[in-house]
Amino acid sequence: GAVVSQHPSWVICKSGTSVKIECRSLDFQATTMFWYRQFPKQSLMLMATSNEGSKATYEQGVEKDKFLINHASLTLSTLTVTSAHPEDSSFYICSARGRTGATGELFFGEGSRLTVL
Amino acid sequence: SQQGEEDPQALSIQEGENATMNCSYKTSINNLQWYRQNSGRGLVHLILIRSNEREKHSGRLRVTLDTSKKSSSLLITASRAADTASYFCAASGSARQLTFGSGTQLTVLP
Repeated sequence: GAVVSQHPSWVICKSGTSVKIECRSLDFQATTMFWYRQFPKQSLMLMATSNEGSKATYEQGVEKDKFLINHASLTLSTLTVTSAHPEDSSFYICSARGRTGATGELFFGEGSRLTVL
Repeated sequence: SQQGEEDPQALSIQEGENATMNCSYKTSINNLQWYRQNSGRGLVHLILIRSNEREKHSGRLRVTLDTSKKSSSLLITASRAADTASYFCAASGSARQLTFGSGTQLTVLP
């Protein structure tokens, strides 16, 4: 099946620094990518939808200036957590839908665990 | 919101038994999907059932969909210890986004 690579898989940073997480579709072109956040033992909460070449659409309650999303190419989307604080510590997961994914199946990255000290 | 609710939240069974998980959603859907997540890992797509389908099989998985009740169930037959994971349903509506349910933590004891 299609492969989505997410990097880094885990990161620890100091409070106030910014962290960038990359999401790449390795063997298909992803016209749409989604970013989710998952707290321990909870479900995935959609943060934003990014379409290649256009601005991301953020879900209600998600700060655009806090979570910067860039989808500059058909194979790469990045999520930057700016001025990270301990409450931003979470598991971030991206998913991608290709041109042939009209049926709705998404391919997920392995997730990135962010720990802010 | 199309947030799905799943029950049970946690399920513990013996190897070889069947496991059934249920999911309910709130609004109209185009399809409903089931995913599996091992602890600390990404999600793996298991099966998709369209709104005009009532039942679908894939290996040891059987999914049903009742759009009148806005509910779905996932049955795993002859469970194995390796089936231990969290299982999520995800509803796909007109916006083609996926809204995930709360998940069921399945533990299969050897």
